[in-house]
Amino acid sequence: DTAVSQTPKYLVTQMGNDKSIKCEQNLGHDTMYWYKQDSKKFLKIMFSYNNKELIINETVPNRFSPKSPDKAHLNLHINSLELGDSAVYFCASSGGLAGGVTQYFGPGTRLTVL
Amino acid sequence: AQTVTQSQPEMSVQEAETVTLSCTYDTSESDYYLFWYKQPPSRQMILVIRQEAYKQQNATENRFSVNFQKAAKSFSLKISDSQLGDAAMYFCAYRSVLLNTGNQFYFGTGTSLTVIP
Repeated sequence: DTAVSQTPKYLVTQMGNDKSIKCEQNLGHDTMYWYKQDSKKFLKIMFSYNNKELIINETVPNRFSPKSPDKAHLNLHINSLELGDSAVYFCASSGGLAGGVTQYFGPGTRLTVL
Repeated sequence: AQTVTQSQPEMSVQEAETVTLSCTYDTSESDYYLFWYKQPPSRQMILVIRQEAYKQQNATENRFSVNFQKAAKSFSLKISDSQLGDAAMYFCAYRSVLLNTGNQFYFGTGTSLTVIP
């Protein structure tokens, strides 16, 4: 039973392309997040949604657009991909009556931009 | 914003020995949560242990325990009887209890732990 799932796990694409990463959680959490982990393993929060409402929007290029169709899903769309976008992207969830305070992570999506 | 500092980028330990990873944080809040996450080479982020700031007792999970010093704003992780499978990047994290923070977590920069056979 996968708690937080992401697809795809690996994504290789050319500069300038548009791509999406999907995230789903079956934990009943009401908050979902996107993080970017760079080559030095530093985790940087990008976005946070609570019950489909954008709560945290860090300084991220507007080429990145999150979309939350319902509170179990938070997708990340990236336009005009650049070399610097290469990283591992993690989706996570927490909160609500079911989840409490702990944050649970998806397996990550390794994005490589050529 | 709260900051979380892990001053040891790399640590190593002999198999079966004990190692302590350091974490300090900065906050003006009196109640909050602290976590240690483990990221092995598989890159999956795994919760190791959690501590509620209002609890004086240090959290323990099998071979993993913390030394929580609230006044010093210190939250170290002790791994006893280290095993090869403990080799990973370890992240310390802070979460506020305040509702207006959007359940945001603040992560340290990580400590890479090597276990020597």
